[in-house]
Amino acid sequence: DSGVTQTPKHLITATGQRVTLRCSPRSGDLSVYWYQQSLDQGLQFLIQYYNGEERAKGNILERFSAQQFPDLHSELNLSSLELGDSALYFCASSVGLAGRNEQFFGPGTRLTVL
Amino acid sequence: TQLLEQSPQFLSIQEGENLTVYCNSSSVFSSLQWYRQEPGEGPVLLVTVVTGGEVKKLKRLTFQFGDARKDSSLHITAAQPGDTGLYLCAGARGDSWGKLQFGAGTQVVVTP
Repeated sequence: DSGVTQTPKHLITATGQRVTLRCSPRSGDLSVYWYQQSLDQGLQFLIQYYNGEERAKGNILERFSAQQFPDLHSELNLSSLELGDSALYFCASSVGLAGRNEQFFGPGTRLTVL
Repeated sequence: TQLLEQSPQFLSIQEGENLTVYCNSSSVFSSLQWYRQEPGEGPVLLVTVVTGGEVKKLKRLTFQFGDARKDSSLHITAAQPGDTGLYLCAGARGDSWGKLQFGAGTQVVVTP
């Protein structure tokens, strides 16, 4: 158990819909990262928040947005869903900002778009 | 195109054999991490290497960071079925803060 929690575990929805994925970091960690993992693209970095502020962005679509709240939990919002958005979405957390900081991953949310 | 190239993509061996997984790039990384992921679960951090030429050992696993900090290898001695999983390398570059670049992974299967 990494100490990072994610809900829900599974999510099935239809194209065009909007969903929210939730992540709680390990106690004491200020950074939260979101990743997408699909069979053809591997594990792709989406976005990083540190203490409530966006700090790094990867290949995140404009239909996707995220935020980190004062209690440090984070939410990833996916809208106008397409079939290709079906993937595993992971949240990770670390103590600090830097990439060399060890990141601890949650169990993931499996999103299926029908 | 992956910034970090892992080879081989797939490795199937018998229990007791040794194996090596490679992670290569043309870019320099400030640190490199190795993770193992099992189906339906999140990656689990195995080790972080930060110094060129560094060698770290974790029981039967040996990790090496290249002198130029562009490549790394993971060697498993006397593999066991419990070593089965997807091995991912991930690198952090000095200009990218928390952004980790992941390789595509090496799927290792150890059969009894």
